[in-house]
This record gives sequence, C-alpha cells and structure tokens, in this order.
Amino acid sequence: GENVEQHPSTLSVQEGDSAVIKCTYSDSASNYFPWYKQELGKRPQLIIDIRSNVGEKKDQRIAVTLNKTAKHFSLHITETQPEDSAVYFCAARGNSWGKLQFGAGTQVVVTP
Amino acid sequence: SAVISQKPSRDICQRGTSLTIQCQVDSQVTMMFWYRQQPGQSLTLIATANQGSEATYESGFVIDKFPISRPNLTFSTLTVSNMSPEDSSIYLCSVEVAGVRYGYTFGSGTRLTVV
Repeated sequence: GENVEQHPSTLSVQEGDSAVIKCTYSDSASNYFPWYKQELGKRPQLIIDIRSNVGEKKDQRIAVTLNKTAKHFSLHITETQPEDSAVYFCAARGNSWGKLQFGAGTQVVVTP
Repeated sequence: SAVISQKPSRDICQRGTSLTIQCQVDSQVTMMFWYRQQPGQSLTLIATANQGSEATYESGFVIDKFPISRPNLTFSTLTVSNMSPEDSSIYLCSVEVAGVRYGYTFGSGTRLTVV
C-alpha cells in the first residue's frame, strides 16, 4: 500500500518568511495529493491539492509542487502570518478504493 | 463541497460499553471513510464504507471491534465496541466529493474518552 513520509515534524518561522513542507510517497500510481490544515480542536481543512498531471499549483500565498519522477511533493507558504500556525498534513491517494494515506504532520509555528 | 454532520461531538464512556457515531452528508456520495486520530498524531484510516456492501477494513482494525453500517448514500455509522481506555481518540468521517473542487471533506469529529 501507499506510504507517505512528511518532513519536518515541526517548523518555526518568523512572520513574513516562507515555510516549506516536503512529502514523499511510495506508490507510483498515486494520482492525487491534497494538503490539509488542522487547527487545534478542529477538523482538517483542505487548503490546496494537486493531481498527477500537473507539476505546480498556486492559490494566493500557498503553492504545491509535484515531482512524479522523484515521488515527492511540497507545500510552500509565502509571507507567513500568525494565523498560518497549525498542523499541516500531506496525503496521497494510491491505487485502491480512493482512500487517502496521510503523512505524520508538521506543526508550523509563526512568530510575530 | 459536501457538508457533513457528525455526532456526537464528544462523549465520555465507561470501559466495556459501546458508542455509535453517526455521519450524515448533505449529498449522495459513493464512499465514506472512517478515520481515527489519536492525540498529537496523524489520521489513520479505519475502514471504507460503500453503500450496499461490507466495509473494507485496514490492517489492525476488525469488524467485531468497529462495525460499520452504510444503509444509503448519505449516511453511515461507526460503532466502537467493548471500549477500553486505548480507544480514547478522535474519530472522523470523510467523504470524497467530485466536482470542480475535487477533494475529501471531513466531519467535525467525535472526541471519545473511555474511563
């Protein structure tokens, strides 16, 4: 089955700086890669996603890049703000039953 | 995107008892997924529920412990049976929503504490 590794586990950035989170996946047939933001006590919220036929996608301050050859994808947050502080999860959908496999999560702390 | 109503939002239960968690979706969906999220951890898939067929369980999860019902395309339940303190966790349902914004949406979660 699919295996997703996520790094780093924690990330501290100064407000205004950029944050990058990286994930690797094992199943070359995986075709969908979402990123979720989870604030304390709340449900995971989809913030951006990318399909395997696209190399990069951007939505305002958030971007995701996908390298299918290397089987890794990354989340980029520019001009970070305190409200970006949360746990971020990457995920990959492999080849069976549409289920998502999640990475371990990255705790992002943005300090003013 | 789909709106999921999940209940209860939280419960405190005695060991040895069972709790049934419900998820209601405002649109018809083919598959519903049940996850467990232990404190400070990632999301672990328990099972995938299709309407009209038996749920498919992930390694480490069994039907006797986590029976699932999926009577129609908008509703599912997960029961946590014969609970022990190790079952204390957040349980979330999720659905895949096709369309322009294609993604998976989560219910608000059920915070379960077993004492």
